[in-house]
Amino acid sequence: DQQVKQNSPSLSVQEGRISILNCDYTNSMFDYFLWYKKYPAEGPTFLISISSIKDKNEDGRFTVFLNKSAKHLSLHIVPSQPGDSAVYFCAAIGSSNTGKLIFGQGTTLQVKP
Amino acid sequence: NAGVMQNPRHLVRRRGQEARLRCSPMKGHSHVYWYRQLPEEGLKFMVYLQKENIIDESGMPKERFSAEFPKEGPSILRIQQVVRGDSAAYFCASSPWDVYGANVLTFGAGSRLTVL
Repeated sequence: DQQVKQNSPSLSVQEGRISILNCDYTNSMFDYFLWYKKYPAEGPTFLISISSIKDKNEDGRFTVFLNKSAKHLSLHIVPSQPGDSAVYFCAAIGSSNTGKLIFGQGTTLQVKP
Repeated sequence: NAGVMQNPRHLVRRRGQEARLRCSPMKGHSHVYWYRQLPEEGLKFMVYLQKENIIDESGMPKERFSAEFPKEGPSILRIQQVVRGDSAAYFCASSPWDVYGANVLTFGAGSRLTVL
């Protein structure tokens, strides 16, 4: 039962363009969402988060959008840089679970110079 | 400012042997979490511990797996009688308090277990 889904295993964009990574979830009880970035042979690092009471959160080149009615969130990276090439994981945390992040399968982003 | 330290980074075991993975949380962090990443999958929650307490082990397999976080020393994830299906990357994370809202987990680099 995959409660958080990232349906695109990979994405390739040109440097300077926008990268859009998508994530869908099924559990309407989730009220906090996070994006993590992971390089090979390293652990995931926190990127940006959003509470369910918001529909947008921005931090520099990274913006996360949340559409609660569609149970969909997306991460926008503008402009994309080669150093952004990594695996991006969407994660959700429910109000009754402490520390139990539920991760999607990940999307591998490749930014071409 | 050491982050979350995991060792060993790579561990090879034969079927039936035991695997012990260690995790030292960030300084000042008293909450430890273990996650497992199977090939081509996302990270799956296994267990959440505080010092000397298991808070949530709902993600732990019922047999062969155990975890502890003693008063002194690192947290240990122990897998007895390993099988090939245990081959995975095991990530430890820590936080200074219960994770909810703005607080986030800090992950270690992971321990990659290979079972021959």
